[in-house]
Amino acid sequence: ELKVEQNPLFLSMQEGKNYTIYCNYSTTSDRLYWYRQDPGKSLESLFVLLSNGAVKQEGRLMASLDTKARLSTLHITAAVHDLSATYFCAFRTGTASKLTFGTGTRLQVTL
Amino acid sequence: GAGVSQSPSNKVTEKGKDVELRCDPISGHTALYWYRQSLGQGLEFLIYFQGNSAPDKSGLPSDRFSAERTGGSVSTLTIQRTQQEDSAVYLCASSPSTGFSYNEQFFGPGTRLTVL
Repeated sequence: ELKVEQNPLFLSMQEGKNYTIYCNYSTTSDRLYWYRQDPGKSLESLFVLLSNGAVKQEGRLMASLDTKARLSTLHITAAVHDLSATYFCAFRTGTASKLTFGTGTRLQVTL
Repeated sequence: GAGVSQSPSNKVTEKGKDVELRCDPISGHTALYWYRQSLGQGLEFLIYFQGNSAPDKSGLPSDRFSAERTGGSVSTLTIQRTQQEDSAVYLCASSPSTGFSYNEQFFGPGTRLTVL
């Protein structure tokens, strides 16, 4: 069974600072997704990572995938208040279609 | 174009009643998924449709839960004899295809179900 550990669960950071969210998973996975969720809203797709060593960047967010370490990271550079949200990683493995989600990281960026 | 839509957005019901939740996927998307989001359990997969068939129902928590999809489009999730532990946000997602594709899933706004 695929299990996903995401940490930290809660992150409070000041504007301008850098930080990384980590996702560890328990078995082979060939697709990694990052989603953002604002309070009371649905999930917004941020990144899809398909292979070992994949790195994608969008604005102040950069996601990477290390399939050998079974680890994905979401790095936040020079955080701004608009990035405050909950971030989820999710994995898909083999031919299964469902996504297995991490616990989510609630990010709060303070002035 | 239009995204995934769900109705109702909020549903309050009494314990023991049946409820139906509706999902309209993005036009042309063949795959459709139901997930549930609750404080205690996080985001959980419920069921997956490819076209009108459901090859993976492994996440349905009990036989009180059922879902169908018609015309390869609209899906309804039915919960019979609702219990308080069914209270959650029910999210629907769709994707263009499955198998070895990206399988990027696009989520609807969800239905918040409260069972009193």
